[in-house]
Amino acid sequence: NAGVTQTPKFRVLKTGQSMTLLCAQDMNHEYMYWYRQDPGMGLRLIHYSVGEGTTAKGEVPDGYNVSRLKKQNFLLGLESAAPSQTSVYFCASSWGDRYTEAFFGQGTRLTVV
Amino acid sequence: KQEVTQIPAALSVPEGENLVLNCSFTDSAIYNLQWFRQDPGKGLTSLLLIQSSQREQTSGRLNASLDKSSGRSTLYIAASQPGDSATYLCAVSLFYNNNDMRFGAGTRLTVKP
Repeated sequence: NAGVTQTPKFRVLKTGQSMTLLCAQDMNHEYMYWYRQDPGMGLRLIHYSVGEGTTAKGEVPDGYNVSRLKKQNFLLGLESAAPSQTSVYFCASSWGDRYTEAFFGQGTRLTVV
Repeated sequence: KQEVTQIPAALSVPEGENLVLNCSFTDSAIYNLQWFRQDPGKGLTSLLLIQSSQREQTSGRLNASLDKSSGRSTLYIAASQPGDSATYLCAVSLFYNNNDMRFGAGTRLTVKP
Protein backbone atom coordinates (compact mmCIF):
# COMPACT_ATOMS: atom_id res chain seq x y z
CA ASN A 1 0.00 0.00 0.00
CA ALA A 2 1.47 3.34 -1.08
CA GLY A 3 -0.46 5.54 1.37
CA VAL A 4 0.52 9.18 0.81
CA THR A 5 3.17 9.87 -1.82
CA GLN A 6 4.85 13.21 -2.38
CA THR A 7 6.68 14.21 -5.54
CA PRO A 8 9.46 15.34 -5.71
CA LYS A 9 11.43 14.46 -2.58
CA PHE A 10 14.03 17.20 -3.07
CA ARG A 11 14.13 20.37 -5.13
CA VAL A 12 16.31 23.44 -5.43
CA LEU A 13 14.74 26.56 -6.93
CA LYS A 14 16.06 29.96 -7.78
CA THR A 15 14.26 33.00 -6.39
CA GLY A 16 11.33 33.87 -8.61
CA GLN A 17 10.93 30.42 -10.16
CA SER A 18 7.69 28.52 -9.89
CA MET A 19 6.98 24.88 -9.13
CA THR A 20 4.25 22.47 -8.13
CA LEU A 21 4.43 19.82 -5.44
CA LEU A 22 2.22 16.79 -5.94
CA CYS A 23 0.56 14.80 -3.19
CA ALA A 24 -1.21 11.58 -4.07
CA GLN A 25 -3.14 9.27 -1.75
CA ASP A 26 -4.67 5.92 -2.54
CA MET A 27 -6.91 5.55 0.53
CA ASN A 28 -9.95 7.37 -0.85
CA HIS A 29 -9.62 10.02 1.86
CA GLU A 30 -11.76 13.13 1.64
CA TYR A 31 -9.46 15.39 3.64
CA MET A 32 -6.01 16.46 2.51
CA TYR A 33 -3.55 18.97 3.96
CA TRP A 34 -0.30 20.74 3.17
CA TYR A 35 2.08 21.66 5.99
CA ARG A 36 5.52 23.21 6.17
CA GLN A 37 8.10 22.36 8.82
CA ASP A 38 10.88 24.76 9.72
CA PRO A 39 13.76 24.19 12.16
CA GLY A 40 12.76 24.77 15.77
CA MET A 41 9.12 25.17 14.87
CA GLY A 42 6.13 22.90 14.70
CA LEU A 43 4.43 22.01 11.46
CA ARG A 44 2.22 24.82 10.22
CA LEU A 45 -0.86 24.35 8.04
CA ILE A 46 -0.67 26.05 4.64
CA HIS A 47 -3.88 24.96 2.89
CA TYR A 48 -6.30 22.11 3.17
CA SER A 49 -9.14 20.47 1.27
CA VAL A 50 -12.27 18.76 2.56
CA GLY A 51 -13.13 17.12 -0.74
CA GLU A 52 -12.64 17.14 -4.48
CA GLY A 53 -12.91 20.65 -5.89
CA THR A 54 -12.60 22.38 -2.50
CA THR A 55 -9.70 24.22 -0.92
CA ALA A 56 -9.28 26.47 2.10
CA LYS A 57 -6.55 28.55 3.71
CA GLY A 58 -4.65 27.44 6.75
CA GLU A 59 -2.39 29.31 9.14
CA VAL A 60 0.31 30.37 6.63
CA PRO A 61 -1.22 30.48 3.10
CA ASP A 62 0.57 33.51 1.64
CA GLY A 63 2.72 32.77 -1.40
CA TYR A 64 1.08 29.40 -2.07
CA ASN A 65 -1.83 28.16 -4.13
CA VAL A 66 -3.48 24.74 -4.17
CA SER A 67 -5.82 22.70 -6.29
CA ARG A 68 -7.82 19.51 -5.75
CA LEU A 69 -9.13 18.59 -9.19
CA LYS A 70 -9.12 14.87 -8.40
CA LYS A 71 -9.96 13.34 -5.06
CA GLN A 72 -6.67 11.47 -4.82
CA ASN A 73 -4.40 14.43 -5.66
CA PHE A 74 -3.65 17.68 -3.85
CA LEU A 75 -1.26 20.08 -5.56
CA LEU A 76 0.71 22.85 -3.87
CA GLY A 77 2.02 25.61 -6.10
CA LEU A 78 4.61 28.31 -5.59
CA GLU A 79 4.18 30.98 -8.23
CA SER A 80 7.30 33.01 -7.42
CA ALA A 81 9.55 31.26 -4.95
CA ALA A 82 11.25 33.22 -2.19
CA PRO A 83 14.08 32.17 0.17
CA SER A 84 11.57 32.32 3.05
CA GLN A 85 9.82 29.35 1.45
CA THR A 86 12.83 27.13 2.03
CA SER A 87 11.34 24.40 4.17
CA VAL A 88 10.27 20.79 4.35
CA TYR A 89 6.74 20.35 3.06
CA PHE A 90 4.47 17.57 4.26
CA CYS A 91 1.21 16.40 2.82
CA ALA A 92 -1.33 14.50 4.88
CA SER A 93 -4.71 12.91 4.35
CA SER A 94 -7.43 11.60 6.62
CA TRP A 95 -10.79 9.89 6.22
CA GLY A 96 -12.57 12.34 8.50
CA ASP A 97 -12.06 15.74 10.03
CA ARG A 98 -10.07 16.28 13.23
CA TYR A 99 -7.23 14.36 11.59
CA THR A 100 -8.86 11.06 12.41
CA GLU A 101 -6.44 8.36 11.28
CA ALA A 102 -4.25 10.84 9.46
CA PHE A 103 -1.43 9.63 7.24
CA PHE A 104 1.55 11.76 6.29
CA GLY A 105 3.80 11.69 3.26
CA GLN A 106 7.57 11.45 3.54
CA GLY A 107 8.12 15.13 2.89
CA THR A 108 9.63 17.34 0.19
CA ARG A 109 12.74 19.29 1.04
CA LEU A 110 12.67 22.55 -0.90
CA THR A 111 15.56 25.01 -1.01
CA VAL A 112 15.14 28.43 -2.61
CA VAL A 113 18.42 30.18 -3.39
CA LYS B 1 -3.81 31.91 19.68
CA GLN B 2 -3.01 28.30 20.42
CA GLU B 3 0.67 27.65 21.07
CA VAL B 4 2.14 24.23 21.70
CA THR B 5 5.44 23.82 23.51
CA GLN B 6 7.54 20.72 24.00
CA ILE B 7 10.32 20.54 26.54
CA PRO B 8 13.05 19.40 26.37
CA ALA B 9 13.99 19.89 22.73
CA ALA B 10 16.35 16.94 22.95
CA LEU B 11 16.77 14.03 25.33
CA SER B 12 19.35 11.25 25.52
CA VAL B 13 18.82 8.21 27.74
CA PRO B 14 20.40 4.76 28.17
CA GLU B 15 18.51 1.75 26.90
CA GLY B 16 15.96 0.32 29.32
CA GLU B 17 15.14 3.59 31.03
CA ASN B 18 11.58 4.77 31.46
CA LEU B 19 11.06 8.32 30.26
CA VAL B 20 8.49 11.08 30.01
CA LEU B 21 8.09 13.63 27.23
CA ASN B 22 6.15 16.80 27.97
CA CYS B 23 3.75 18.87 25.91
CA SER B 24 1.93 22.03 26.97
CA PHE B 25 -0.67 24.11 25.16
CA THR B 26 -2.02 27.57 25.90
CA ASP B 27 -5.72 27.20 25.02
CA SER B 28 -7.70 24.42 26.67
CA ALA B 29 -10.37 24.55 23.93
CA ILE B 30 -9.06 21.53 22.10
CA TYR B 31 -10.90 18.70 20.42
CA ASN B 32 -8.16 16.11 20.70
CA LEU B 33 -4.42 15.73 21.14
CA GLN B 34 -2.14 13.43 19.20
CA TRP B 35 1.39 12.22 19.67
CA PHE B 36 3.37 11.55 16.51
CA ARG B 37 6.70 9.97 15.81
CA GLN B 38 8.96 11.38 13.09
CA ASP B 39 11.99 9.51 11.78
CA PRO B 40 14.68 11.36 9.78
CA GLY B 41 13.69 11.82 6.16
CA LYS B 42 10.29 10.27 6.75
CA GLY B 43 6.78 11.41 7.44
CA LEU B 44 4.90 11.45 10.69
CA THR B 45 3.31 8.39 12.21
CA SER B 46 0.46 8.78 14.66
CA LEU B 47 1.16 6.99 17.94
CA LEU B 48 -1.74 7.90 20.20
CA LEU B 49 -4.81 10.10 19.95
CA ILE B 50 -6.59 11.33 23.07
CA GLN B 51 -10.02 12.88 22.81
CA SER B 52 -10.61 15.95 24.98
CA SER B 53 -12.97 13.94 27.19
CA GLN B 54 -10.35 11.28 27.87
CA ARG B 55 -7.55 11.27 30.42
CA GLU B 56 -5.16 8.79 28.84
CA GLN B 57 -4.49 6.33 26.07
CA THR B 58 -2.15 3.34 26.00
CA SER B 59 -0.51 1.42 23.21
CA GLY B 60 2.09 -1.17 24.10
CA ARG B 61 4.95 0.53 25.94
CA LEU B 62 3.46 3.97 25.31
CA ASN B 63 1.07 5.81 27.58
CA ALA B 64 -0.18 9.32 26.91
CA SER B 65 -2.06 11.41 29.44
CA LEU B 66 -4.05 14.58 29.00
CA ASP B 67 -4.91 17.27 31.55
CA LYS B 68 -6.91 19.71 29.49
CA SER B 69 -7.58 22.15 32.32
CA SER B 70 -3.88 22.69 32.96
CA GLY B 71 -2.95 22.50 29.28
CA ARG B 72 -0.57 19.58 29.60
CA SER B 73 0.05 16.17 28.11
CA THR B 74 2.77 13.64 28.75
CA LEU B 75 4.00 10.70 26.73
CA TYR B 76 5.44 7.94 28.87
CA ILE B 77 7.74 5.41 27.20
CA ALA B 78 8.51 2.31 29.24
CA ALA B 79 11.69 0.29 28.93
CA SER B 80 13.12 2.42 26.13
CA GLN B 81 14.92 0.78 23.21
CA PRO B 82 17.34 2.12 20.59
CA GLY B 83 14.55 1.72 18.05
CA ASP B 84 12.59 4.37 19.94
CA SER B 85 15.11 6.99 18.82
CA ALA B 86 13.16 9.58 16.82
CA THR B 87 11.55 12.97 17.15
CA TYR B 88 8.24 12.97 19.01
CA LEU B 89 5.69 15.64 18.19
CA CYS B 90 2.49 16.51 19.96
CA ALA B 91 -0.34 18.29 18.21
CA VAL B 92 -3.72 19.63 19.27
CA SER B 93 -6.80 19.76 17.11
CA LEU B 94 -8.50 23.12 17.53
CA PHE B 95 -12.01 23.07 18.90
CA TYR B 96 -13.19 25.94 16.72
CA ASN B 97 -11.66 24.72 13.44
CA ASN B 98 -12.21 21.13 12.37
CA ASN B 99 -9.26 21.15 10.03
CA ASP B 100 -6.45 22.92 11.81
CA MET B 101 -4.00 21.15 14.07
CA ARG B 102 -1.21 22.96 15.91
CA PHE B 103 2.08 21.20 16.43
CA GLY B 104 4.86 21.52 18.94
CA ALA B 105 8.44 21.70 17.67
CA GLY B 106 9.14 18.21 18.97
CA THR B 107 11.49 16.40 21.32
CA ARG B 108 14.39 14.58 19.69
CA LEU B 109 14.94 11.36 21.62
CA THR B 110 18.11 9.29 21.47
CA VAL B 111 18.21 5.93 23.23
CA LYS B 112 21.76 4.69 23.63
CA PRO B 113 22.49 0.94 23.57
